[in-house]
Amino acid sequence: QVQLVQSGAEVKKPGTSVNVSCKAFGYTFTNHYIHWVRQAPGQGLEWMGVIIPNGGSTTYTQKFQDRVTMTRDTSTNTVNLELSSLRSDDTAVYYCTRTVGSRFDIWGQGTMVTVSS
Amino acid sequence: QSALTQPPSASGSPGQSVTISCTGPSSDVGVYNYVSWFQQHPGKAPKLIIYEVTKRPSGVPDRFSGSKSGNTASLTVSGLQAEDEADYYCSSFVGGVTYVFGTGTKVTVL
Repeated sequence: QVQLVQSGAEVKKPGTSVNVSCKAFGYTFTNHYIHWVRQAPGQGLEWMGVIIPNGGSTTYTQKFQDRVTMTRDTSTNTVNLELSSLRSDDTAVYYCTRTVGSRFDIWGQGTMVTVSS
Repeated sequence: QSALTQPPSASGSPGQSVTISCTGPSSDVGVYNYVSWFQQHPGKAPKLIIYEVTKRPSGVPDRFSGSKSGNTASLTVSGLQAEDEADYYCSSFVGGVTYVFGTGTKVTVL
């Protein structure tokens, strides 16, 4: 079954970093881009960036340019999101999603990241 | 890149139609035919319901339709059903490998 499975919820203190993983099942991992999208409580969807599993190149939106790192491990079909220097307004659900062409066809279940002192 | 503009809310009675707009700069929605729409129920991941402006993924009812005019895309839900009550988001390709999402619209079935 084609699916993306994300790691579990995290609680972090301000100023620290968080890592969220996204493991792909049921398709050729290197054939499709993986994007990260976040959603703060009660707010809309926000595109953060993309990683191309075939080669590992990344593009981040300017807002997160200095704090985000996306990596991939082709041996485990996993993409990782690291967000550093966490602030309270980074509290959100983080989703990974795949594109086939231009369409975001499958999504992970989401990972809740809570930033609190 | 600023979010695409959607109305905060829309509503309709069962069986009626509701249309949601999604407006962006002429440099993305106006240029690319890569506008998608997503349905999101509370506590759930978004679900793709329209891509490339007008196309429906397999399994999405034909009650959902998309269109575009200039730099405004629209989603129409015809024959509203109770299960259509959800948040709806548009997105657009904006060049390179980057995308932007809309502000979201809460649809209420009266």
